[in-house]
Amino acid sequence: AQTVTQSQPEMSVQEAETVTLSCTYDTSESDYYLFWYKQPPSRQMILVIRQEAYKQQNATENRFSVNFQKAAKSFSLKISDSQLGDAAMYFCAPLAGSQGGSEKLVFGKGMKLTVNP
Amino acid sequence: EAQVTQNPRYLITVTGKKLTVTCSQNMNHEYMSWYRQDPGLGLRQIYYSMNVEVTDKGDVPEGYKVSRKEKRNFPLILESPSPNQTSLYFCASIDSGSYNEQFFGPGTRLTVL
Repeated sequence: AQTVTQSQPEMSVQEAETVTLSCTYDTSESDYYLFWYKQPPSRQMILVIRQEAYKQQNATENRFSVNFQKAAKSFSLKISDSQLGDAAMYFCAPLAGSQGGSEKLVFGKGMKLTVNP
Repeated sequence: EAQVTQNPRYLITVTGKKLTVTCSQNMNHEYMSWYRQDPGLGLRQIYYSMNVEVTDKGDVPEGYKVSRKEKRNFPLILESPSPNQTSLYFCASIDSGSYNEQFFGPGTRLTVL
């Protein structure tokens, strides 16, 4: 069974600074995708970034990047130049079955990010 | 516009009164899923469907039913709601051709008194 751990329930960062959100997981799968989702106060779930487990290169999406350590089963999210609009709950979600064999998405418990002006 | 819609967005009901939360997607995705979100627990999967007439239990299926008679619709049914089913519910549609990315509906806030 998959488990996902986001060890920090809350974090804060100053506007324009950099913050890293941690996530570790456990899976027996060898090929899978990993996702970070953002949930602002509107409650909408918004995809921030995704990573394919078979790719060694870490994914980057504008100010968002990941540090994926497959052997350590670690998938952290780095937010650079933090903006007030980045304030939200962030969920880590690894998904087994990159070939579409499993749609079971297991989420971490989430981490509330506050951005201070 | 590609989207997942849920109705109702908000619902207050009483214990035992059957209800259905509808979910519809216009992306022709085969896979769909239901989650519930509770404080401190994150999102947990209730049921998922891999295609029409194919459904399977997630982590917390007790007290829920689903059906998948058409590809675009995946309703969640609470036959006899109880207060412990008070939660925020999300439907998701899954693009198996693109990283299995999940597209979420806007959520349904359910309160069972």
